[in-house]
Amino acid sequence: EADIYQTPRYLVIGTGKKITLECSQTMGHDKMYWYQQDPGMELHLIHYSYGVNSTEKGDLSSESTVSRIRTEHFPLTLESARPSHTSQYLCASSEPSSGTPEQYFGPGTRLTVT
Amino acid sequence: AQRVTQPEKLLSVFKGAPVELKCNYSYSGSPELFWYVQYSRQRLQLLLRHISRESIKGFTADLNKGETSFHLKKPFAQEEDSAMYYCALRTGANNLFFGTGTRLTVIP
Repeated sequence: EADIYQTPRYLVIGTGKKITLECSQTMGHDKMYWYQQDPGMELHLIHYSYGVNSTEKGDLSSESTVSRIRTEHFPLTLESARPSHTSQYLCASSEPSSGTPEQYFGPGTRLTVT
Repeated sequence: AQRVTQPEKLLSVFKGAPVELKCNYSYSGSPELFWYVQYSRQRLQLLLRHISRESIKGFTADLNKGETSFHLKKPFAQEEDSAMYYCALRTGANNLFFGTGTRLTVIP
């Protein structure tokens, strides 16, 4: 079934650890996104990708990095987690067709850094 | 720079009453606006887009360029409408810029 997956759903980790949040989609979409959302706040776009080997920074500056080696996979990495990284991270994908494509969202990863 | 303002973080209405969720925007380009919704324990999903001029689940939204608004309306609220609603603006890179959201509660 076509879907967008995020793992883990919840992660509690200590300061200084390296973490990777996984995002995969079987929608056949080229464009993918990462959003960060603090409780009660906006979704902020932190990274996006037009396709393989394409990565762009979003509206909100982030210490995280992303990679796009395969079309279906768009992992986000934090080299050294800090409490300020505690947030919800949402992955999304869309078709880059003409007009404004609908974005499909994953279930999110709630990250807590202690 | 773009801006999307949803002035109400929380909105409660009684079942059967009209509901209006406010959204105002600021954007130098030609605006394209959307409403996304997140029901309890579900993912964020598209509700409607202004360019389609459609009614989804009884909701409509009209883009008012003079007032720079894109308010979401429904004449008779239902309990299943209780959710978090986000207004979003398309940016030049064909990305979305979201507001802070409004949590709608429909009281039975």
